[in-house]
Order: sequence, then structure tokens, then C-alpha cells
Amino acid sequence: DAKTTQPPSMDCAEGRAANLPCNHSTISGNEYVYWYRQIHSQGPQYIIHGLKNNETNEMASLIITEDRKSSTLILPHATLRDTAVYYCIVRPPPMVSSGQNFVFGPGTRLSVLP
Amino acid sequence: NAGVTQTPKFQVLKTGQSMTLQCAQDMNHEYMSWYRQDPGMGLRLIHYSVGAGITDQGEVPNGYNVSRSTTEDFPLRLLSAAPSQTSVYFCASRKAGRTYEQYFGPGTRLTVT
Repeated sequence: DAKTTQPPSMDCAEGRAANLPCNHSTISGNEYVYWYRQIHSQGPQYIIHGLKNNETNEMASLIITEDRKSSTLILPHATLRDTAVYYCIVRPPPMVSSGQNFVFGPGTRLSVLP
Repeated sequence: NAGVTQTPKFQVLKTGQSMTLQCAQDMNHEYMSWYRQDPGMGLRLIHYSVGAGITDQGEVPNGYNVSRSTTEDFPLRLLSAAPSQTSVYFCASRKAGRTYEQYFGPGTRLTVT
């Protein structure tokens, strides 16, 4: 599975866009990019995922570069409640034969400042 | 929908005691998993299930048992608790399909003394 690299921490002003980068230069053609977050003392929360095209939902936008070697998660108007650890994970489609391992690395600690 | 629920929220055990962490989901998801999270570390997969009656080991299965008799429930049993099992335990579920869009429970904080 492709390895991901994220900055350990970032700050963002409340109301501004938060842009969280992720490098996955060894990504394979069938691997998806997933973003999860974990607010302190809570379970991880799914945010968004994508393969090649940019994706948007009610929580965030995911921008994947054309060569797919990096991506950016965008929270358009960050609030204090968005303070969390954000995880970028790259995985191929799940196969019964390959198990269900879905590894969360250290992620990026985003602090939204008032 | 309640989503994924876990009980208890907190538990303290003495070394050698056994207990069961409960997990239930009401989304009719086929796949369920148990993870543990230690301070400053990411989540590690303990066991998972791809459907009722089918379970398999994850990355760190030693000291834990699971069973899946219904689609809704996936309990995790600690056979003989050890201090190394002090951790936060998360249960997760997802639909069968081509993505890892998972839904996590609120977690159980376990301390083994």
C-alpha cells in the first residue's frame, strides 16, 4: 500500500479555508485517497474519498493532482469544531482475500484559532 | 439511526480478569472491525468480520477473541487482561463494496492495573 506523508501540525484562522496537504508519491492506479478526522476523545470520522477526480461533499473538498502523487483536503470555512487530527490514507479497493487492514498514521493536527 | 454504539465507555480491570467490550450497529453493514489506539499512535486493527459467522485476525490479535453471531453485534473479548492492553478501543462498520467508508463508535477507554 502507498505510504502517505502529512505535516504533523497546522494552524488555521476561524472562518478561513483550511488546506491540508498529503503526499502519496507511490500511489498505484487502483488506490483511493481517503480522509478521516478524529476530534479529541472521539472515534474517527469519515470525511471524503476519491480516486482521480476532485470530490466535494457537505464537509469538505478533495483535490487530487493530475499525476495523483499528492492531494489536498479543503475545509472551506473552518470553525473551532474542526480542530482535530486529520488522516490521509491510501488503499486499494477492499478484497475479502486481502483482509481489512486500514492503517491510520500519525496524521496532521489542525488547530483552528479564534 | 444510532450508528455504531459501544459499551462500556470506561472500564478498569485488574490483571488477569476477563471482560467483553460490546459493539452494535443498526446500519445493516456487513463489515465490522475492532481497532485499538494507544497514546500518540494511530489505530491498529485487532480483528474484523466480513459477515455473520465470519471473522479474521488483524494486525494485533493476540489476547483478544471475537465472534459474530448476528449482523448487528460484534463483541470483543479480553481473555486475561494485561497492562499492555490498556488502550482506547474503537469499533467500526461499513457496507460491503469497493471503498473503506467506515463509521466508528465513540470508543471504550480500558485501563488494566
